[in-house]
Amino acid sequence: AQTVTQSQPEMSVQEAETVTLSCTYDTSESDYYLFWYKQPPSRQMILVIRQEAYKQQNATENRFSVNFQKAAKSFSLKISDSQLGDAAMYFCAYRSANTGNQFYFGTGTSLTVIP
Amino acid sequence: NAGVTQTPKFQVLKTGQSMTLQCAQDMNHNSMYWYRQDPGMGLRLIYYSASEGTTDKGEVPNGYNVSRLNKREFSLRLESAAPSQTSVYFCASRHTGTGSYGYTFGSGTRLTVV
Repeated sequence: AQTVTQSQPEMSVQEAETVTLSCTYDTSESDYYLFWYKQPPSRQMILVIRQEAYKQQNATENRFSVNFQKAAKSFSLKISDSQLGDAAMYFCAYRSANTGNQFYFGTGTSLTVIP
Repeated sequence: NAGVTQTPKFQVLKTGQSMTLQCAQDMNHNSMYWYRQDPGMGLRLIYYSASEGTTDKGEVPNGYNVSRLNKREFSLRLESAAPSQTSVYFCASRHTGTGSYGYTFGSGTRLTVV
């Protein structure tokens, strides 16, 4: 099974500053998808951003962007201009493009935004 | 609003009791999933249903059963609850086919087994 590692259990950032959350994964496949999900205190899981492994261009969604390094198997999430509403648990996830029924999740990073 | 609906949101069971968690989606998704979330362990797949009429085991299926009642509904049953099944349970669905489709999640069920 693929493994997804989030080595930062907790992170904090000042409001309006930028923060980067790390994620690495282990796979022998060349075609796959990567995701970042946000889980606020409401418990609802919300898709933040996704990346196709075959695309070299890093995905961007408003203030959220990724740094996808395929050779290094790294997929970090950058949050720019952090807002209080960004405070949440963030999960990195992997899905194979070939046997893609299961998503593999990391253990999460708890982000605190300091006013 | 369109999405994934889970019931109940909270439940307390005594050891040995049984219960069924209900999940329904109205997005015409083929695939549906049950995950459990435990502190420090992320989300782990219990069972999934790739299409109506099929179900398969995930990473942690022991102690659970599932039923894909129709395309919309996918239920998770605990026949004899154990304290180790105390967790938050999420149902999710996904459009299948080529493409980077992510999950749409329900709002979760917090289950406590005493």
